[in-house]
Amino acid sequence: DTAVSQTPKYLVTQMGNDKSIKCEQNLGHDTMYWYKQDSKKFLKIMFSYNNKELIINETVPNRFSPKSPDKAHLNLHINSLELGDSAVYFCASSRLGTGAYEQYFGPGTRLTVT
Amino acid sequence: EDKVVQSPLSLVVHEGDTVTLNCSYEVTNFRSLLWYKQEKKAPTFLFMLTSSGIEKKSGRLSSILDKKELFSILNITATQTGDSAVYLCAVASGTYKYIFGTGTRLKVLA
Repeated sequence: DTAVSQTPKYLVTQMGNDKSIKCEQNLGHDTMYWYKQDSKKFLKIMFSYNNKELIINETVPNRFSPKSPDKAHLNLHINSLELGDSAVYFCASSRLGTGAYEQYFGPGTRLTVT
Repeated sequence: EDKVVQSPLSLVVHEGDTVTLNCSYEVTNFRSLLWYKQEKKAPTFLFMLTSSGIEKKSGRLSSILDKKELFSILNITATQTGDSAVYLCAVASGTYKYIFGTGTRLKVLA
């Protein structure tokens, strides 16, 4: 009964390749996110989606394309991978309302580009 | 530009010590401040603070927010080795955006 799941957990690939990471949440949340965490543990938001609609794109290169087929899924496709894309990518979800709500994070996908 | 700054960046203490972690912020459209603990994998939620001066407490952990001075502290009393982790502070800005600090890496020695 995992709340937020991601696949794969590890991804090792070469520069120039295209790869995808999948995310699913079973919490019934309306909002989902992608974060990138660098080697110094700094978590930076990449995208926010609400009910399948892109809300925030934090100046992410257009090689990164999120897709939300329904509000329980948010996938991330990366084209032409570069060395600097190596990081841990976290998917998260939260409720939406007039107040702020905590986010629930997936286990992360460690991407290594060689 | 919105920013969240945590201090210290890292901390080494012995079991039984009390630690205070700091988080200051400059964020437009502040809605709440959140604390997370990150061990080896995903961050896990600890506290969410929206009002100044009201302490949130869970066991040996407690946190408080000062919206006038724009900071929060996270206290851990009687630390244990299981408290070793990176502690992340995040500020919710508007409805859909969370800005994270760089984290404080805490190591508790037996």
